[in-house]
This record gives sequence, C-alpha cells and structure tokens, in this order.
Amino acid sequence: AQTVTQSQPEMSVQEAETVTLSCTYDTSESNYYLFWYKQPPSRQMILVIRQEAYKQQNATENRFSVNFQKAAKSFSLKISDSQLGDTAMYFCAFRMGRAQKLVFGQGTRLTINP
Amino acid sequence: DAGVTQSPTHLIKTRGQHVTLRCSPISGHKSVSWYQQVLGQGPQFIFQYYEKEERGRGNFPDRFSARQFPNYSSELNVNALLLGDSALYLCASRGLAGPTDTQYFGPGTRLTVL
Repeated sequence: AQTVTQSQPEMSVQEAETVTLSCTYDTSESNYYLFWYKQPPSRQMILVIRQEAYKQQNATENRFSVNFQKAAKSFSLKISDSQLGDTAMYFCAFRMGRAQKLVFGQGTRLTINP
Repeated sequence: DAGVTQSPTHLIKTRGQHVTLRCSPISGHKSVSWYQQVLGQGPQFIFQYYEKEERGRGNFPDRFSARQFPNYSSELNVNALLLGDSALYLCASRGLAGPTDTQYFGPGTRLTVL
C-alpha cells in the first residue's frame, strides 16, 4: 500500500521568508502523481501544485515550487516570499496513474507571522 | 462557475442514528469522491463514483454507503453512527478525462456524533 509521510507537524516563519515543507512517500508504482493541497481555517481543500512522476522537471506555480526526487521518493514544497494568507494546513498527497483515490499525509501546520 | 457544494455545513447526531450528506459537483464533472477527515489527520478515501457507478471503495465498514444520481450529485449515508464517525466529510469532483485531471474539493460537512 502507498503511504505518505510528512515529518513536520508544525512550522512557523516570518512574512517574506522562504519555507520548505517536507514529504516522503512509499510506492512500488512507476506511474503516479503527487500533489500539495492547502487547507486554511475555512476548511476548503485547495490544490497548490501537482507533479507527474514521469516528468523530471520540477513543477512551479508562482511562489510555489517543488523539489521532486524520484529515486529518494521525496517531494518537498518551497514557498517563496511567504504571505500571511499562506497560513494553513498543507497536505502532501499521492495518486496512482489511473486511480482516483488520493492518499494524504498527516499534514503540516504552517503559520506565517507578520 | 460554482465550485463543489456540500450540505449541510454542520450536523449533530447521536450514536445509533443515521445521517445523509449531500454533494453537488462542479457543472460538467461526472466523478465524485468522498473523504473522511478526522481532526488533526489527513483525509481518508471512502468512495469514488463515476457515471453513477462505484469505482472505488476505501477501508470503511458497510455502515458507509453512497450513491450518485443522474445529475451527478451524490449522497453519502452512514448508518448506526459511532462516536468515531465524528469528522469533516469532504466531497471532491473531477472533470477532464485522463490521468492528469485534478480533484476539486468542497468545503465539507462537519459531523459531530454525541
């Protein structure tokens, strides 16, 4: 079974700083997708960024980028120029190629301080 | 366009009762998935429906059931409620065909079992 591990339960940084959230996963599959979701206090789960395993290039979305290390099964999220609105729970998630089931990690609570 | 909607927002039930949660996907989306998120944990997959057929089931007891209607909305039913069923129930819909599609989440229904 696939598992996703987020080893940082909580993180806190100052506004405008850069922060990196860690995620590791375990799978024997070669075709899969990785995601970072953000869940603010409003509870709405919002997709931040996604990465296809077959792509070597790391995904980027504005201030958000990932460091995808396939051999190490690592998928970290970097947030640059952090903003107060980035305060939320962040979940790393895994999905096999054609499946719809997302497997989530335990989450990292990120607080951006003014 | 409206996002995924869920009703009700909050619900309080007592042990042994039955509950029905509702989800309307984004217009044009034919796939709906349900997740249970216990406080402090990542979401756990319960069901996935596509074109009114069950396409996936997580490790949940038979007390949990779901269905999808011709308009692609969905209901999640839980019988004989237990205290441990208290959680945020998330619905997600999927649009584009193919493996790189994205699941969009609704705001969730907070179920409290007393």
